[in-house]
Amino acid sequence: GNSVTQMEGPVTLSEEAFLTINCTYTATGYPSLFWYVQYPGEGLQLLLKATKADDKGSNKGFEATYRKETTSFHLEKGSVQVSDSAVYFCALTTGRRALTFGSGTRLQVQP
Amino acid sequence: DTEVTQTPKHLVMGMTNKKSLKCEQHMGHRAMYWYKQKAKKPPELMFVYSYEKLSINESVPSRFSPECPNSSLLNLHLHALQPEDSALYLCASSQDSRSGGAYEQYFGPGTRLTVT
Repeated sequence: GNSVTQMEGPVTLSEEAFLTINCTYTATGYPSLFWYVQYPGEGLQLLLKATKADDKGSNKGFEATYRKETTSFHLEKGSVQVSDSAVYFCALTTGRRALTFGSGTRLQVQP
Repeated sequence: DTEVTQTPKHLVMGMTNKKSLKCEQHMGHRAMYWYKQKAKKPPELMFVYSYEKLSINESVPSRFSPECPNSSLLNLHLHALQPEDSALYLCASSQDSRSGGAYEQYFGPGTRLTVT
């Protein structure tokens, strides 16, 4: 079956620090990979995606590269802001209309 | 436009009430989803509609009844809920294909449900 493993949180950083949130996966077939972000009291927003090996997804300064050899899709940002404080979910799908989520990583950015 | 709308935003209901949650999208997506999310957990899939037909029911209790009146609308009818059903209910939509392609899902803001 499919599974996604994310690093435990919370991750606490100072503003302008470098962010990495680790995500590894196991999947049958060829998954598409996603990062979603959930701000307090809101739904999930698609942050970025990658559909094949070596693809780099990017949005709002966040990046993640689909690494098939290490089955990873780590989220990075060079300089975080207080407004980036949220819960980040790594997810994958191999089709059949189902998303498999990781457990989520809470990011807290302090001024 | 990648917007999925949900109403109401908040709902408080007693265990004997009947209520409905509504979801709408105008992206031309043919797959629509209901998820349940408890605090500090990822969303859990409840139902999937594909081309207006129920394709996945993740063993959800019958007190939750989904309905897809047309390709843009998705309802979740609630009856005789329990306090443990209190959660954030999220609707999502995606492209679809008859073979079930690997498409991203777009989520609505959710309905915060409290069962008293």
